[in-house]
Amino acid sequence: EAGVAQSPRYKIIEKRQSVAFWCNPISGHATLYWYQQILGQGPKLLIQFQNNGVVDDSQLPKDRFSAERLKGVDSTLKIQPAKLEDSAVYLCASSSAGPGGSYNSPLHFGNGTRLTVT
Amino acid sequence: EDQVTQSPEALRLQEGESSSLNCSYTVSGLRGLFWYRQDPGKGPEFLFTLYSAGEEKEKERLKATLTKKESFLHITAPKPEDSATYLCAVQASGGSWGKLQFGAGTQVVVTP
Repeated sequence: EAGVAQSPRYKIIEKRQSVAFWCNPISGHATLYWYQQILGQGPKLLIQFQNNGVVDDSQLPKDRFSAERLKGVDSTLKIQPAKLEDSAVYLCASSSAGPGGSYNSPLHFGNGTRLTVT
Repeated sequence: EDQVTQSPEALRLQEGESSSLNCSYTVSGLRGLFWYRQDPGKGPEFLFTLYSAGEEKEKERLKATLTKKESFLHITAPKPEDSATYLCAVQASGGSWGKLQFGAGTQVVVTP
């Protein structure tokens, strides 16, 4: 099966600019996650979607970050304006966890977008 | 607050030299503990899920075990291709579907 697709792979922007990341999950996976991984740390959940509804966005800096999942498939994550501390790898993951699926279905990750803010 | 701590931060092994990685956790009700492998420039790759104390799972040279407070990932007779960062994550019983809290990982380097 095709894995989680993300683009772009790399992005370099200046602080205060905006940036957007795109994710296409594994076909049929209802649950989609965006994680932020800062160098030397484990991934941290930013937002979780179940189909096209938000399940958890408690750790999303809502003053600058936004995300949407139109039609319950693809998703975009946007940062506006970016700060230096936003430099990280942004990972998208999907799973079949949720109603009709196993609660503990593992997450399948894409290869991420490495963002550098200068 | 849920917490996941992995040790050591880094581990350098000779090929064939077995060792163990530790993941200690504090969580308000464990629904599952997950091990992932992450290669440089790649996303985490799923290895195992453990659900209850006493459970063990194996895959090739890797064996994961779980107690009420920690999990171990044993690497038996490692090869250079086992070099990676190994991440541990927990899913709390009060969390949303699939929500994971990760530790910082253990970077493993296996030299020939």
